[in-house]
Amino acid sequence: NAGVTQTPKFQVLKTGQSMTLQCAQDMNHEYMSWYRQDPGMGLRLIHYSVGAGITDQGEVPNGYNVSRSTTEDFPLRLLSAAPSQTSVYFCASSGRDRVYEQYFGPGTRLTVT
Amino acid sequence: AQKITQTQPGMFVQEKEAVTLDCTYDTSDQSYGLFWYKQPSSGEMIFLIYQGSYDEQNATEGRYSLNFQKARKSANLVISASQLGDSAMYFCAMRARGAGSYQLTFGKGTKLSVIP
Repeated sequence: NAGVTQTPKFQVLKTGQSMTLQCAQDMNHEYMSWYRQDPGMGLRLIHYSVGAGITDQGEVPNGYNVSRSTTEDFPLRLLSAAPSQTSVYFCASSGRDRVYEQYFGPGTRLTVT
Repeated sequence: AQKITQTQPGMFVQEKEAVTLDCTYDTSDQSYGLFWYKQPSSGEMIFLIYQGSYDEQNATEGRYSLNFQKARKSANLVISASQLGDSAMYFCAMRARGAGSYQLTFGKGTKLSVIP
């Protein structure tokens, strides 16, 4: 049981490049979400999904796309990276009936130069 | 809209002493959950404790307890017998429990330093 996994752990991009941050969970959780963590800001929600084929925007969605083709995977795409997207990105998942459980992945540290 | 406020950017505590980390929240929801997470310097988010808004007793998990005062909208974390390994960032978070409410709203965190 791996929980929530994220790849890569570190990434450096040049402005304008695109990339996908991967997130997978093996707990059959319905809910998955992406957060970004900036210094002094806590975590802020980017996008979330309540099940395969269903996604919605969070607090800071601009510049990011998501899709959820399977229950297990929830990739986050940066379309055209900008220095303002330099951050630590966390993926999280939880089950519908166990609202007190929120599992986080280990995070991806992204630097955009 | 939900809001979490952590007013202590940093705290110091002597090893083996107890410490309270403050958290106040604002919500119009009647049903919600409150979480505390620990983030050590390695970066991962570690779940510590959960309190539901309708739970009658304060939550406890080992050395962690949550002092839940619903009327004051506060959910303070109490760590007893502090250890050096408790040095970390601590985040308070809230999640509404109504339909369509799946995401966590976080405070800005408190950095706890345990002094030997």
